[in-house]
Amino acid sequence: KQEVTQIPAALSVPEGENLVLNCSFTDSAIYNLQWFRQDPGKGLTSLLLIQSSQREQTSGRLNASLDKSSGRSTLYIAASQPGDSATYLCAVIYQKVTFGIGTKLQVIP
Amino acid sequence: DAGVIQSPRHEVTEMGQEVTLRCKPISGHDYLFWYRQTMMRGLELLIYFNNNVPIDDSGMPEDRFSAKMPNASFSTLKIQPSEPRDSAVYFCASSLSTVNYGYTFGSGTRLTVV
Repeated sequence: KQEVTQIPAALSVPEGENLVLNCSFTDSAIYNLQWFRQDPGKGLTSLLLIQSSQREQTSGRLNASLDKSSGRSTLYIAASQPGDSATYLCAVIYQKVTFGIGTKLQVIP
Repeated sequence: DAGVIQSPRHEVTEMGQEVTLRCKPISGHDYLFWYRQTMMRGLELLIYFNNNVPIDDSGMPEDRFSAKMPNASFSTLKIQPSEPRDSAVYFCASSLSTVNYGYTFGSGTRLTVV
């Protein structure tokens, strides 16, 4: 059974700081890994999708990496802004998807 | 495309009542998923469909929960009878394929059973 762990559970940083969110998974047999953002009381917004054959994906200030062999993914956020404050969820996709609990990020102005 | 559409956005009902949640996936997506999100357990997969056929319902908590997908553009999740512990946010998501594509989520239905 796939298990997904996200560390840290919560993170508070000053505006402008670069930060890394971590995701680990126990079964390396995956199709894709997807990072989502969830604002309070809202749905999930897809940020980046990394296919199993890829090592990383970039979108603006976001960069996600994937190391299947070690069961790890990271989400790097450059020059953080208060608008980045949200919960970030890692989802590991095989025949179905398994989510981590998420990292709650607060960027302080 | 309008994305995955869920209704209602909020539902408050009394214990014992029947609740029906609705979802319209993105046109052309072959996969549809129902999730439940709580503070304690995070996001849990309840059931998913491929081409309108239920593939895995092992996450459905008990017989009070049922899901249908009568056609490619509509699915329902029904709880009968509802209980306070069913209070959660229920999300529907769709995907073109689980192999090369990611998931698109709806905005969710916040269910409160009193």
